[in-house]
Amino acid sequence: DQQVKQNSPSLSVQEGRISILNCDYTNSMFDYFLWYKKYPAEGPTFLISISSIKDKNEDGRFTVFLNKSAKHLSLHIVPSQPGDSAVYFCAATGGSQGNLIFGKGTKLSVKP
Amino acid sequence: NAGVTQTPKFRILKIGQSMTLQCTQDMNHNYMYWYRQDPGMGLKLIYYSVGAGITDKGEVPNGYNVSRSTTEDFPLRLELAAPSQTSVYFCASSHLQGFYTGELFFGEGSRLTVL
Repeated sequence: DQQVKQNSPSLSVQEGRISILNCDYTNSMFDYFLWYKKYPAEGPTFLISISSIKDKNEDGRFTVFLNKSAKHLSLHIVPSQPGDSAVYFCAATGGSQGNLIFGKGTKLSVKP
Repeated sequence: NAGVTQTPKFRILKIGQSMTLQCTQDMNHNYMYWYRQDPGMGLKLIYYSVGAGITDKGEVPNGYNVSRSTTEDFPLRLELAAPSQTSVYFCASSHLQGFYTGELFFGEGSRLTVL
């Protein structure tokens, strides 16, 4: 059973518009939620995170929103740029075992 | 700084062969991890280590072994390779805070094919 779900395998957005990537989770014990970005033939790189005690975290063009009652988080990218084209993984962690649980990823394509 | 370095980047193995994936980091991180990513799937934790001499199983440890003799190195050993181990393997490291918050530094990956 997937504890972290990204139901959209792909998303296409026009340059300059907003990209919204969504993620759902099932485990209410998760403490931190993260977004990783991955380019082809590279490892994932950390993008932004949010603690379970917050509902919003912003870093430049990237904002993550957390809705604990719905067990849902989203990543907003405004404005989207062609260089943002990548696979975005939602991930979550909780407890002491250091096991980061990943979703399957959403491939974002930003068209010029 | 090189960060997390993995070798080899690509390898083809025959069923039943063994090999070691190498991972080294130069950030003086105590915590190191091995993940695998199957096509169309998220990353899954194989093994992790909280310091030299200490390792523990993750979600999918079967068919693998690890050792941690130094802070810098965390090799992953595949014994008796099987087609189900065809995957991309990522090594990662973190400081203490990252162990709890999930902020890891990943290597570029090692693509392994077992035929």
